[in-house]
Amino acid sequence: DADVTQTPRNRITKTGKRIMLECSQTKGHDRMYWYRQDPGLGLRLIYYSFDVKDINKGEISDGYSVSRQAQAKFSLSLESAIPNQTALYFCATSDLQGQARFFGPGTRLTVL
Amino acid sequence: AQSVTQPDIHITVSEGASLELRCNYSYGATPYLFWYVQSPGQGLQLLLKYFSGDTLVQGIKGFEAEFKRSQSSFNLRKPSVHWSDAAEYFCAVGSNAGNNRKLIWGLGTSLAVNP
Repeated sequence: DADVTQTPRNRITKTGKRIMLECSQTKGHDRMYWYRQDPGLGLRLIYYSFDVKDINKGEISDGYSVSRQAQAKFSLSLESAIPNQTALYFCATSDLQGQARFFGPGTRLTVL
Repeated sequence: AQSVTQPDIHITVSEGASLELRCNYSYGATPYLFWYVQSPGQGLQLLLKYFSGDTLVQGIKGFEAEFKRSQSSFNLRKPSVHWSDAAEYFCAVGSNAGNNRKLIWGLGTSLAVNP
């Protein structure tokens, strides 16, 4: 089984809809991250969490919110989706020792 | 300003040829350095990392990278490329300074492999 899983893998939605992307991990890591990937812009950090009670904004948090329901679960919400949020979204984890990120397979989100 | 530059947006090599992907960084603190690979439709997979010690590091899939502090570079190499190496490659740099441990990402190099 994959260490970091994301659901759904693909989602098409309409402008104004609320969307939740979910991430679960079995690596036992405390730190979890949400990134978005856009062609030509690379990876950009949306939110990160060092533990259940610690949530931090990343570079591009506007229009997004997160919830850390448990050590293993970290969800990303788009309260009112807009077309420029069309992107590939990745969840990642890291342990306390290093900075290496371990990524999920990604969610491709299209906002029409 | 902290930054990571991957000068080559796209590279094409023949199968069996050697490969070098360039990564240059600008970072004030002692860097931690990473290379990731992203195959089509997949997430990013860690190829190798440098934290300290030997400046030549070995990774998975036959890749290696060399940290050159004087050149602020961390180039990825492979002596003989396989068709399955066609993918996007990302360099990243971070630091153990502070609690944030933020990673700075390059924009990636797309590798195509000709048969």
